[in-house]
Amino acid sequence: KNEVEQSPQNLTAQEGEFITINCSYSVGISALHWLQQHPGGGIVSLFMLSSGKKKHGRLIATINIQEKHSSLHITASHPRDSAVYICAVSPEYGNKLVFGAGTILRVKS
Amino acid sequence: DADVTQTPRNRITKTGKRIMLECSQTKGHDRMYWYRQDPGLGLRLIYYSFDVKDINKGEISDGYSVSRQAQAKFSLSLESAIPNQTALYFCATRRGGGGEQFFGPGTRLTVL
Repeated sequence: KNEVEQSPQNLTAQEGEFITINCSYSVGISALHWLQQHPGGGIVSLFMLSSGKKKHGRLIATINIQEKHSSLHITASHPRDSAVYICAVSPEYGNKLVFGAGTILRVKS
Repeated sequence: DADVTQTPRNRITKTGKRIMLECSQTKGHDRMYWYRQDPGLGLRLIYYSFDVKDINKGEISDGYSVSRQAQAKFSLSLESAIPNQTALYFCATRRGGGGEQFFGPGTRLTVL
């Protein structure tokens, strides 16, 4: 079993829909990261969080440390949100990020 | 200018050839990483370095070697490329003590 599990693996939404991507992990962490990768593009960091909730524009990330779970929400989705969203954790004991396999999001107009 | 750059961006080579992928950063970060990305497998760590004298193997280091020539430069070499090393390769940096990782634009490598 992977230490970081994301769901769903693939997601297709209509423009304007509210989107949720989930991430569960099995190790103690110091931080959780959400990354975005556009087709043919590089990887950018969206959020790094260790508790609570963060918001940037239409993106919201939440984390529940007790339940070892995080969600990434996209409000009023747009075709330009189509990308791969990757969850990664910084384990408490260790110097390397552990990555989920990613969620492929397609937003149709 | 980009903070983390990779060269080349695309490379097609033949089995058995030696290939070097280069990464440079202007962020002043101590930590640098090389990952490969394959469809459906996510990012996997090849090598990482916490400073010029500190090189560590990741989970898939076989068939690869690295060189940290300076704080700002970290190169990945495939001594004898094989087709299953066809993948997208990313360099990343991070400051010591934690924080976000900053990724380069990626190198698409095809080994025929």
